[in-house]
Amino acid sequence: QVQLVESGGGVVQPGRSLRLSCAASGFTFNDYAFHWVRQAPGKGLEWVSVISYDAINTYYADSVKGRFTISRDNSKNTLYLQMDSLRAEDTAVYYCARDKQNGVLSPFFDYWGQGTLVTVSS
Amino acid sequence: DIQMTQSPSYVSASVGDRVTITCRASQGSSSWLGWYQQKPGKAPKLLIYAASSLQSGVPSRFSGSGSGTDFTLTISSLQPEDSATYYCQQAYNFPPTFGGGTKVEIK
Repeated sequence: QVQLVESGGGVVQPGRSLRLSCAASGFTFNDYAFHWVRQAPGKGLEWVSVISYDAINTYYADSVKGRFTISRDNSKNTLYLQMDSLRAEDTAVYYCARDKQNGVLSPFFDYWGQGTLVTVSS
Repeated sequence: DIQMTQSPSYVSASVGDRVTITCRASQGSSSWLGWYQQKPGKAPKLLIYAASSLQSGVPSRFSGSGSGTDFTLTISSLQPEDSATYYCQQAYNFPPTFGGGTKVEIK
């Protein structure tokens, strides 16, 4: 069955960096685009970034552009989010999510990981 | 960015009731609209995509309708396990954007 497992969250000081990982299994990883979506404590959902199935195309929310970098390793079935220059407002649960449509961007999110909490605090 | 506005933000209903949630987009989104269910401490779950297509495995009491700027999620007969927060999301333009959520409580 499709499984997405995030890791790498934790407590980090403002201005520091953190890298999140999302390990995928149960399907052909390199057929699909992947997204990161975050949710601040007690708040709604915010889309963060997407990477195409072939890693050629990436897009970012304005709130993270220039600070976050999405990437993937298709040989390891793993998605990454490198987060630099972290701010207090980046505090959230970060979810990786699979794009529903293989080969193209839909972007509807049909499978989600369990989420990993990132807390930015001094 | 396309702004998504959901209403109501909270609804309390009894088991067996029909529940309707509305989502309005700040500009036309064709049928590029999805609905998600999120229970506390859990990841969201896709219920409806392309405005009215039921995601595999989702009970048929959930249905979606609409196009352009106005969309609706209907739960035809509310069940105890439907207690959750529901979000709409437009997939027409980047960035994808979500509504503020509707919390559904069982009386």
